[in-house]
Amino acid sequence: GAGVSQTPSNKVTEKGKYVELRCDPISGHTALYWYRQSLGQGPEFLIYFQGTGAADDSGLPNDRFFAVRPEGSVSTLKIQRTERGDSAVYLCASSLTGDEQFFGPGTRLTVL
Amino acid sequence: AQSVTQLDSQVPVFEEAPVELRCNYSSSVSVYLFWYVQYPNQGLQLLLKYLSGSTLVKGINGFEAEFNKSQTSFHLRKPSVHISDTAEYFCAVYQAGTALIFGKGTTLSVSS
Repeated sequence: GAGVSQTPSNKVTEKGKYVELRCDPISGHTALYWYRQSLGQGPEFLIYFQGTGAADDSGLPNDRFFAVRPEGSVSTLKIQRTERGDSAVYLCASSLTGDEQFFGPGTRLTVL
Repeated sequence: AQSVTQLDSQVPVFEEAPVELRCNYSSSVSVYLFWYVQYPNQGLQLLLKYLSGSTLVKGINGFEAEFNKSQTSFHLRKPSVHISDTAEYFCAVYQAGTALIFGKGTTLSVSS
């Protein structure tokens, strides 16, 4: 079956611009996670959805970051007023039980 | 808070040699443990997981790991590596209701 997909695969933007990153989870997976992976580091947790609601958003670095999952399936990570430090690979994962998470290929965000 | 320490940032080995990638975690409660592999420009792929039961866990591509509760370790091993095993390896812990916490990764470089 289809795995987790993320679009776009690459996004280049200018400092101060707004970006949206999309995640399509595996059908039927109720849990959805966003992580950020900076160069040379392991993925770091941003936010976790159970269904439509954000169960834990403690990893969001500041209020420029926001994520939604209005129908309990597709999720969008939104970043306002992007900064160069936001450059990273943004990973999405989905899960049925929470413990085994299936990852998408990621979106590489570059802020110039 | 949970944390994961991968003791080696880089491990160079020759083809057909054995390898061990070390991982220690900090936790006083039950956790699940995972190893993920990331090939260049690809997403994370689950290698193996420990949820409960036998402390020796076998995964894909001939990898195995041993859970040691007293030493809070979950080291990854392979008796004979191939060039194609060259990748970044991440150890991660999961506690129910939270997200995965990753180590910083170990780069395995296999040469002929």
